Amino acid sequence: GAGVSQSPSNKVTEKGKDVELRCDPISGHTALYWYRQRLGQGLEFLIYFQGNSAPDKSGLPSDRFSAERTGESVSTLTIQRTQQEDSAVYLCASSLEGHGYTFGSGTRLTVV
Amino acid sequence: GEDVEQSLFLSVREGDSSVINCTYTDSSSTYLYWYKQEPGAGLQLLTYIFSNMDMKQDQRLTVLLNKKDKHLSLRIADTQTGDSAIYFCAESLSGTYKYIFGTGTRLKVLA
Repeated sequence: GAGVSQSPSNKVTEKGKDVELRCDPISGHTALYWYRQRLGQGLEFLIYFQGNSAPDKSGLPSDRFSAERTGESVSTLTIQRTQQEDSAVYLCASSLEGHGYTFGSGTRLTVV
Repeated sequence: GEDVEQSLFLSVREGDSSVINCTYTDSSSTYLYWYKQEPGAGLQLLTYIFSNMDMKQDQRLTVLLNKKDKHLSLRIADTQTGDSAIYFCAESLSGTYKYIFGTGTRLKVLA
């Protein structure tokens, strides 16, 4: 597509439930990234994919977080047993070989 | 450690120049970037500079890089109310595709 698309744009979930966030990168972009932005803070790296593999998942905060990418395209970030501290905007970006990320508009997750 | 630092707030009058500063940590970063984030939106790439350059100009934007001090700045000439946003600098870590972002500087332009 023309840009990076993320869905849903907003998600409100109850504490303890699982959520799945989706990212559709720009077609042909080999690298895909997930970042988290808590209210009033900078961007926190979570994980990046090169093709379908994840060479760096060092930023995933706990084993409740997982991500996958299939077909060198769509990626899903799954958060199990959500906690209130998971509330944030989750941003996805893609790039061609690591130069100049293009970001999506993000998914705003609120855990109540 | 990996830490990119920026001041949190900047307020300027419309028509003045804005200068947003950033210090980074990886002296072997290949590229350094400036992104703009408007309310409720993702980050938009504004400009970038290659590490072997000292300065880059792009219309109203001027990027200055001081590699010795690991200091990056973004100057916006003739600042407009539409420039009000959060500005993030980012460094690309050498040998990886990973960027480290600063905490962002919230620019407020007063009419």
